[in-house]
Amino acid sequence: EVQLVESGGGLVQPGGSLRLSCVASGFTFSHYWMHWVRQVPGKGLVWVSRINTDENPAYADSVTGRFTISRDNAKNTLYLQMTSLRADDTAVYYCTRESHDYGDLPDLWGQGVLVTVSS
Amino acid sequence: QSVLTQPPSVSGAPGQRVTISCTGNNSNLGAGYDVHWYQQLPGTAPKLLIYGSSNRPSGVPERFSGSKSATSASLAITGLQAEDEADYYCQSYDNSLSGWMFGGGTKLTVL
Repeated sequence: EVQLVESGGGLVQPGGSLRLSCVASGFTFSHYWMHWVRQVPGKGLVWVSRINTDENPAYADSVTGRFTISRDNAKNTLYLQMTSLRADDTAVYYCTRESHDYGDLPDLWGQGVLVTVSS
Repeated sequence: QSVLTQPPSVSGAPGQRVTISCTGNNSNLGAGYDVHWYQQLPGTAPKLLIYGSSNRPSGVPERFSGSKSATSASLAITGLQAEDEADYYCQSYDNSLSGWMFGGGTKLTVL
């Protein structure tokens, strides 16, 4: 089955760190650009970061310098290392795959993992 | 703050037609980038509805259609059904962000 499964979310204090993982299955992970998208509960979707097949990253301004995206193709796993976390980083984080067939868009989403930044 | 602007809410009775607009600028839709649409049911991940402005992935009913012109796009839903009640998002690439840009989302209520 083609799927993405995130893990690593939870409650963290402001200024703390957390690492999210996303395990891919059912497709050739190394062939795809991968992204993280987040959503504050009850709010809209916001692009966070992406990593291409050459492992070159890109970040939204709001997380630049604090978040690091990486991938381990041998483990079919995408990561998001989050540091200096702030209350406004509280959100559901989705791992997504960039489409090969439909254009510059996410065609596969994980179930999402909740990150709560609070003291 | 989203650069793709959508109405916060729309509503319609079963069987009716509704449209959802998405307005961008010269960094996204106006730069020629495609627009895509997603449906998000409560507690679930978004699902692709329309890609490349007007194309439907397999399995998406013909009741859903999309269009784009310059810096704006729209999603139309005909023959509205109760199961269409959801949040809808437009999405494009934005070259000032160098990443994906999503609209703020529109909540569709089926009366």
